[in-house]
Amino acid sequence: DTGVSQDPRHKITKRGQNVTFRCDPISEHNRLYWYRQTLGQGPEFLTYFQNEAQLEKSRLLSDRFSAERPKGSFSTLEIQRTEQGDSAMYLCASSSRQGMETQYFGPGTRLLVL
Amino acid sequence: DQQVKQNSPSLSVQEGRISILNCDYTNSMFDYFLWYKKYPAEGPTFLISISSIKDKNEDGRFTVFLNKSAKHLSLHIVPSQPGDSAVYFCAASSPNFGNEKLTFGTGTRLTIIP
Repeated sequence: DTGVSQDPRHKITKRGQNVTFRCDPISEHNRLYWYRQTLGQGPEFLTYFQNEAQLEKSRLLSDRFSAERPKGSFSTLEIQRTEQGDSAMYLCASSSRQGMETQYFGPGTRLLVL
Repeated sequence: DQQVKQNSPSLSVQEGRISILNCDYTNSMFDYFLWYKKYPAEGPTFLISISSIKDKNEDGRFTVFLNKSAKHLSLHIVPSQPGDSAVYFCAASSPNFGNEKLTFGTGTRLTIIP
């Protein structure tokens, strides 16, 4: 299977702890995106990378959130000092070209902050 | 500000009949539209897309219609099958962000009745 993969699939943590999620895009895709989905809502854009460069960040991405894609392949999303409001599904997607190109999503990481 | 709206949270359709899912948008800069299907505990799966230079795009049982003047698009599934039961999301992008950022609606849960 050469689709987008995410790890872990589920994470339960206590408020105040740090968590890190990993995304492996489709191998030939140079663009990688992070979205967040809460209950009853559609996915909301957080940030995206072209190769290793982070090109845009949503205002949803507070200073407790940081994303990296150090070698232009996999990406990590870290949330520091988690809050209960961070509980959501975190989705990663990748695409191969700029512009009107389909984004393919991974299975997501479901985060529950207690 | 919900720029992409799916006003029907749920829809039930008899197997074999046509399913019509609707989506409205407010941002006139949107020029690329996509439909995704999502099963529980999985990431969104791409179905079909359309750019603003077209008013119709077909792929097998799926057809998307775009009415730019009304800022409305619809997804037709015919014939509907039990495996089509899922949540369907409409998404849009604009060249303001290089068509990189997708804005999603809140989804419509489609149930196909055998």
